[in-house]
Amino acid sequence: DTGVSQDPRHKITKRGQNVTFRCDPISEHNRLYWYRQTLGQGPEFLTYFQNEAQLEKSRLLSDRFSAERPKGSFSTLEIQRTEQGDSAMYLCASRKSGPRDREQFFGPGTRLTVL
Amino acid sequence: EDQVTQSPEALRLQEGESSSLNCSYTVSGLRGLFWYRQDPGKGPEFLFTLYSAGEEKEKERLKATLTKKESFLHITAPKPEDSATYLCAVQAGGSGGGADGLTFGKGTHLIIQP
Repeated sequence: DTGVSQDPRHKITKRGQNVTFRCDPISEHNRLYWYRQTLGQGPEFLTYFQNEAQLEKSRLLSDRFSAERPKGSFSTLEIQRTEQGDSAMYLCASRKSGPRDREQFFGPGTRLTVL
Repeated sequence: EDQVTQSPEALRLQEGESSSLNCSYTVSGLRGLFWYRQDPGKGPEFLFTLYSAGEEKEKERLKATLTKKESFLHITAPKPEDSATYLCAVQAGGSGGGADGLTFGKGTHLIIQP
């Protein structure tokens, strides 16, 4: 059983560039989540999908951020016109959708540095 | 707004010295409380889920408990490999982290010295 995988693991970009991250969830998990974590803080929820439907967006998800999960399997998170404040670890998580299967399993994260 | 506060922010223990980490929460309708362990540069690793007050879960040297206002993570006779940041998170029925997203505390950075 492979866990949640994310690609790339590290990304360095210049301010104003667009970046895209990919997340592959655990295969039988139909819910997929994106979080952002900055140094010394806990992860902050950004958005989540059930299958291909994006069901919730945080106020943190500005218009420059867009997430997709076109076939209900992997997901992508794109940040347009990156800013230095976007520098963070972007975490993906997945879980089953049952009422007693609420634990989310996280991937290793993508570390974004905006210069 | 849902809130999770963890204390202490940092804790240094000697190997074998037992202690407890605290997680206080304010949520509108708790649907689950979660403990994770996070090593530097890695994603959080799931430890426990607690659903209702009075519930307890154990795994090796760790034991998690839940009341209506807080949760404790008890560490018994810790070893250096238990050094990590321990994160507490809640899933609530109201606003804050979203209907399904988790609201995390800032974590407790635990160091176990040999």
